[in-house]
Amino acid sequence: DAGVTQTPRHEVAEKGQTIILKCEPVSGHNDLFWYRQTKIQGLELLSYFRSKSLMEDGGAFKDRFKAEMLNSSFSTLKIQPTEPKDSAVYLCASSLGYNYAEQFFGPGTRLTVL
Amino acid sequence: AQSVTQPDARVTVSEGASLQLRCKYSYSGTPYLFWYVQYPRQGLQLLLKYYSGDPVVQGVNGFEAEFSKSNSSFHLRKASVHWSDSAVYFCVLSGTGNYKYVFGAGTRLKVIA
Repeated sequence: DAGVTQTPRHEVAEKGQTIILKCEPVSGHNDLFWYRQTKIQGLELLSYFRSKSLMEDGGAFKDRFKAEMLNSSFSTLKIQPTEPKDSAVYLCASSLGYNYAEQFFGPGTRLTVL
Repeated sequence: AQSVTQPDARVTVSEGASLQLRCKYSYSGTPYLFWYVQYPRQGLQLLLKYYSGDPVVQGVNGFEAEFSKSNSSFHLRKASVHWSDSAVYFCVLSGTGNYKYVFGAGTRLKVIA
């Protein structure tokens, strides 16, 4: 069974660039989540989709972060323009979407902004 | 409001010793609780989850956790740790009708020889 796939695994960007991170959820999952993980802040929710509809877009991350689900099996997270403080690991997760359904996490994309 | 507290940022144990990682949660509704493990440069992997019934739940690799409603706790245990258990462990809370996760800050476990 294919788990959650994320590409690229590593990304290096110059300040001000636009970067796009990609995620393929587990087949048949209804919910998709994007998180940012840093040592200081821990795991923070960026976006949450249910059946391709955006349910939450993470408040503080609205202005430069935009997540989309182009179809039920593919999602992107665009950061535009990037800033050094965006350096973090970006995790994608998916779940079946019932109360106690566990989220399945991808391996993450490590972003470094110079 | 929902919250999860993992009071120990770092825990060091000797190989073969028993382990308990603590987790306290705050939530007025019915909690759904999870423990995840994160190995270096990997995503989070589910160890176990609790949603109802027997308060002691078994997970993978010999891990178990005990839910206590009276103490608002969900502590993780293992009878005998192995060096490969060295990782970061997250306690996670979800609630009824709310599919979002609330994460604890994580406990970094180091197993020494």
